[in-house]
Amino acid sequence: GAGVSQSPRYKVAKRGQDVALRCDPISGHVSLFWYQQALGQGPEFLTYFQNEAQLDKSGLPSDRFFAERPEGSVSTLKIQRTQQEDSAVYLCASSLGTGVVAQPQHFGDGTRLSIL
Amino acid sequence: AQSVTQPDIHITVSEGASLELRCNYSYGATPYLFWYVQSPGQGLQLLLKYFSGDTLVQGIKGFEAEFKRSQSSFNLRKPSVHWSDAAEYFCAVGDSNFGNEKLTFGTGTRLTIIP
Repeated sequence: GAGVSQSPRYKVAKRGQDVALRCDPISGHVSLFWYQQALGQGPEFLTYFQNEAQLDKSGLPSDRFFAERPEGSVSTLKIQRTQQEDSAVYLCASSLGTGVVAQPQHFGDGTRLSIL
Repeated sequence: AQSVTQPDIHITVSEGASLELRCNYSYGATPYLFWYVQSPGQGLQLLLKYFSGDTLVQGIKGFEAEFKRSQSSFNLRKPSVHWSDAAEYFCAVGDSNFGNEKLTFGTGTRLTIIP
């Protein structure tokens, strides 16, 4: 497709379950970002990939959060032993180049995660 | 660390009226500044960006923003709003250190348009 694609759009899980969120970036985009957006808040940075290399994971809130991009295209964000505070919209974004000035970040529509 | 403040949580304007959304940033060096718009259930769409040069930048959908270093501000403006402009607006600052490419967003301003 032409844009960043995220799946599923909605995910409901019970507390303690593991979840996996998928992001298909725009074809050829080198940079990939994950953001977490809590209700009524702005997106907060989680992690950044340049191709398959995870260059920044400073925003991951705990070791329950894990992200990968093994072949430099599709990325998966995994949350283990989910907690209620993990409920949020998870946004994926990609950029053609590198460096904050290189290209604007193109965002997907997000995955809304609800933990019961 | 950089930060962004959007002092207005919610703004209501009449269709056809002018609009100004406020954004203040905190950053030690020359900031890279962005405005994004988010419609319900959608991702963010870039409206405009400022990196350097002319402090008045033009964006899509008739929006513009002015960078004022002395006030640490990057306010978004539109001379005449349309009902379709109703959405959430986010100001963001990007880190200029190569390799640290994340954006730091404000908490957003929700814009309501009344007929």
